[in-house]
Amino acid sequence: KQEVTQIPAALSVPEGENLVLNCSFTDSAIYNLQWFRQDPGKGLTSLLLIQSSQREQTSGRLNASLDKSSGRSTLYIAASQPGDSATYLCAVREGTTSGTYKYIFGTGTRLKVLA
Amino acid sequence: ETGVTQTPRHLVMGMTNKKSLKCEQHLGHNAMYWYKQSAKKPLELMFVYSLEERVENNSVPSRFSPECPNSSHLFLHLHTLQPEDSALYLCASSRTGTGVSPLHFGNGTRLTVT
Repeated sequence: KQEVTQIPAALSVPEGENLVLNCSFTDSAIYNLQWFRQDPGKGLTSLLLIQSSQREQTSGRLNASLDKSSGRSTLYIAASQPGDSATYLCAVREGTTSGTYKYIFGTGTRLKVLA
Repeated sequence: ETGVTQTPRHLVMGMTNKKSLKCEQHLGHNAMYWYKQSAKKPLELMFVYSLEERVENNSVPSRFSPECPNSSHLFLHLHTLQPEDSALYLCASSRTGTGVSPLHFGNGTRLTVT
């Protein structure tokens, strides 16, 4: 049974710091991995999606990497800003074909960036 | 209007009530999902519809009944709920088939069962 773990559960950093959020999963048979951001009381916003054949994806100050064989992904945030404060979740899409729909989520890392 | 829209945003209902949650997507997607988010627990997949056909039913109690009349609309019918069903219910959509298709979420319905 696929399990997704995110460490740390909470993180508080001063503005301007570069930081790394971690996501690990137990079954390497995944179709893709997605990182999301969730603001309080809101839905999830997709940040980056990495296909199982890819090693990393970048968008602005965000960079996500995937090491499928070791069951790990990291989300790197450069030059953090107070507006980055949110909960960050990762999710793996199970299976190895496009015909699967099951995304398994971690419990998230709650990030606070201090001004 | 674009994206995924959920109504109502908040719902309070008694255990004997019947209510429905609505989700609408304007992204041209053909797969839609219901997730439950409870405090300190990972998002739990409830149901998935692909091309209006239910393809996942994740051992959800029968007091939750989904309906997908077309690829743009998804409903979750609720009846005789329990207090532990209080949670944020999130709808999402994606495109089926090969290729990159991220999940897109609505803002959720905050449900309180009294």
